[in-house]
Amino acid sequence: GAGVSQSPSNKVTEKGKDVELRCDPISGHTALYWYRQSLGQGLEFLIYFQGNSAPDKSGLPSDRFSAERTGGSVSTLTIQRTQQEDSAVYLCASRTGEGVAGAFFGQGTRLTVV
Amino acid sequence: SQQGEEDPQALSIQEGENATMNCSYKTSINNLQWYRQNSGRGLVHLILIRSNEREKHSGRLRVTLDTSKKSSSLLITASRAADTASYFCATDLSGNTPLVFGKGTRLSVIA
Repeated sequence: GAGVSQSPSNKVTEKGKDVELRCDPISGHTALYWYRQSLGQGLEFLIYFQGNSAPDKSGLPSDRFSAERTGGSVSTLTIQRTQQEDSAVYLCASRTGEGVAGAFFGQGTRLTVV
Repeated sequence: SQQGEEDPQALSIQEGENATMNCSYKTSINNLQWYRQNSGRGLVHLILIRSNEREKHSGRLRVTLDTSKKSSSLLITASRAADTASYFCATDLSGNTPLVFGKGTRLSVIA
């Protein structure tokens, strides 16, 4: 596609359930980022991929959070045993690997844990 | 802690006025970027300034970078109601590290 695509756009889940969020980056972009944003707040870094490897997982808030990227393309962020504090907008971004270009963001997935 | 911190947190101006937002950061950077966010969803990249540049222009946007003070500013000239959004700075430490965002400045332009 022309831009970064995230699905679903909105997700309501019950506390304790697992959720999977998907990110389809721009074709050819080797770098992929996941961020979390609570209402009215800044972007909290979660994880970064360069190709299929994740050199920086330092932002994952707990071991309930995991992410993978396959084929240097699609990435999924999985949250196990969701808690109410996981409610936020999850944003994905991609960019070329050269590091002198801006990142392109998807529209995010709004996760609500009830 | 956040690498970039924007100032002010919120700014309200009249249409036609200029808006200035500032960003301070803590460590050496490869480049600094400014983004805009409408309605709490995806961010849009506005402009990138490299560590060896001091000023950059793009349309009504003017960005300055002072690496000695570890600070940057974003100036929007002749603001319009459509400029109402949140603006974030993001620092890029190297080509292979994540972008680190500040908490943003919420700009309201009143028609």
